[in-house]
Amino acid sequence: EDKVVQSPLSLVVHEGDTVTLNCSYEVTNFRSLLWYKQEKKAPTFLFMLTSSGIEKKSGRLSSILDKKELFSILNITATQTGDSAIYLCAVRPFGGGATNKLIFGTGTLLAVQP
Amino acid sequence: SAVISQKPSRDICQRGTSLTIQCQVDSQVTMMFWYRQQPGQSLTLIATANQGSEATYESGFVIDKFPISRPNLTFSTLTVSNMSPEDSSIYLCSPRDRDNEQFFGPGTRLTVL
Repeated sequence: EDKVVQSPLSLVVHEGDTVTLNCSYEVTNFRSLLWYKQEKKAPTFLFMLTSSGIEKKSGRLSSILDKKELFSILNITATQTGDSAIYLCAVRPFGGGATNKLIFGTGTLLAVQP
Repeated sequence: SAVISQKPSRDICQRGTSLTIQCQVDSQVTMMFWYRQQPGQSLTLIATANQGSEATYESGFVIDKFPISRPNLTFSTLTVSNMSPEDSSIYLCSPRDRDNEQFFGPGTRLTVL
């Protein structure tokens, strides 16, 4: 059965710290991996990764994928209280009929304290 | 990234009634997914909608309860029919664009009394 596992489940840091969130997967016919930030209602798209070793970066956030070891990390540097959220990792496989639906991990709850 | 709007943003409904949620995207998208997220739980896929074809429903969800329309590549609706308190949830549309990036609408918070 396809699965996506995120760690840690929750994390408390202080402003200015750097955090690394992990996402490992066991998915048949991997196509892409996506990261989202969820604060109140809706997840906000962060990155989509399809190739190993190519870092994607947006401001203080960056992410990289390792297709050999089947994991991805999301790094946040110089954390701010506004980074407090649930971070979701999702994997999309090839095939699966018309849907190619995302398989979500359970998320990492990040709390950044002032 | 796509700009997505959902209406209504929230509603309080009586059991036995129906509510239609609208999702509008500012660009054409290939596929539209509908999710719900109940308090403290992860996202659950309800169905996938392609333009011009019947929606594909996930296990545990049926068309009579959650009819979906997708009349064009920028708009879709989800109806929650014959509501019960168990349907209280946040409902989210999620379009996938031509680059295969998938986004989420702002959500509709539904409370059924």
